[in-house]
Amino acid sequence: TQLLEQSPQFLSIQEGENLTVYCNSSSVFSSLQWYRQEPGEGPVLLVTVVTGGEVKKLKRLTFQFGDARKDSSLHITAAQPGDTGLYLCAGEGGTSYGKLTFGQGTILTVHP
Amino acid sequence: DTGVSQDPRHKITKRGQNVTFRCDPISEHNRLYWYRQTLGQGPEFLTYFQNEAQLEKSRLLSDRFSAERPKGSFSTLEIQRTEQGDSAMYLCASSLEFRYYGYTFGSGTRLTVV
Repeated sequence: TQLLEQSPQFLSIQEGENLTVYCNSSSVFSSLQWYRQEPGEGPVLLVTVVTGGEVKKLKRLTFQFGDARKDSSLHITAAQPGDTGLYLCAGEGGTSYGKLTFGQGTILTVHP
Repeated sequence: DTGVSQDPRHKITKRGQNVTFRCDPISEHNRLYWYRQTLGQGPEFLTYFQNEAQLEKSRLLSDRFSAERPKGSFSTLEIQRTEQGDSAMYLCASSLEFRYYGYTFGSGTRLTVV
């Protein structure tokens, strides 16, 4: 089974700060997705990256897929309290063909 | 289409009882997935369907768990002889077959076994 390791597991910051969440694996994925989940709800898709080295921006969020397609990062600029939630990376491909394998998640808390 | 619907939202059951959850996917989506999630962790894969065919079931899944998707529409997940360790959020998601499409998740069913 392909594993995805996310770091840090917990992140507590003040409004306006920048942060980066990392997602690493020893295996290659065909695609990697990032989701955000609020308590009591299902995860919501933020972005899909498929090409090694790809960078996608979504307002204050920047996502990068590693050149070897084994790792990814999520960078948030000027975090806001509304960014608070559980951030999940998920990969598909290889032994995870046809389904997503999720990392354990990063719990982000942004204080006003 | 109102997205992926799961019923019930919450279920409290006594140990040893059977429970069944239902998932109604987005109608255009031919793939349906079940995941289990414990507090503060990422979702763990259970099983998935393409139309009515169950294509994969996690090796970690006990024989007490069974899922069906008759006629390729809604799906049910049954847990027999529930144990306290089954307490978790059970998430259903659907997607189009094309691998780069993301999943649309339902709000989940929170199961508590007492």
